[in-house]
Amino acid sequence: NAGVMQNPRHLVRRRGQEARLRCSPMKGHSHVYWYRQLPEEGLKFMVYLQKENIIDESGMPKERFSAEFPKEGPSILRIQQVVRGDSAAYFCASSGTSSGNTIYFGEGSWLTVV
Amino acid sequence: GNSVTQMEGPVTLSEEAFLTINCTYTATGYPSLFWYVQYPGEGLQLLLKATKADDKGSNKGFEATYRKETTSFHLEKGSVQVSDSAVYFCARGSERGSTLGRLYFGRGTQLTVWP
Repeated sequence: NAGVMQNPRHLVRRRGQEARLRCSPMKGHSHVYWYRQLPEEGLKFMVYLQKENIIDESGMPKERFSAEFPKEGPSILRIQQVVRGDSAAYFCASSGTSSGNTIYFGEGSWLTVV
Repeated sequence: GNSVTQMEGPVTLSEEAFLTINCTYTATGYPSLFWYVQYPGEGLQLLLKATKADDKGSNKGFEATYRKETTSFHLEKGSVQVSDSAVYFCARGSERGSTLGRLYFGRGTQLTVWP
């Protein structure tokens, strides 16, 4: 079952370190999305990417956060100089014509900043 | 606006009870509508979807009908099971009606089913 694969599933970082989250979309998908879920809250959109392009980054914080989806390899969400408030579950999703354009989610990466 | 409003939880039911989780949306167009389910410690799984008015999405005994007149997409199940305990998210897609692009989520409704 080649679904959306995220790693690591759990990541612990000290304040000030960098967190790097990876996402391999479902086979045949060329659209990737990142969402953040804070404790006891719903999912908040962060960014929408296609290969080598950022389509919509309206949900990305202005500083410390960046995302890429290179021509080869997984999509990366990078958080620099993490703070306690960055602790959350980060979900990647993908879509494409191979699945009727429905958006499918990965199992998430849980970031804990200590 | 671009909001999705769903019934606040938690919802607690006995096994075999009838379930309704209300969801309404605001949009200037006719977006695709979705229900996702999140089991503890896991990611979101697509439960069902509807892409146009009057469509009914259904899966695993759950149903939801796209009501354009009331801008609603309420989730129902006739007889819930303990294994249905999870958080349910209503979501809408872009206003162009395509399933591409970002999703707008409600805050989620926690459902607990007791035996």
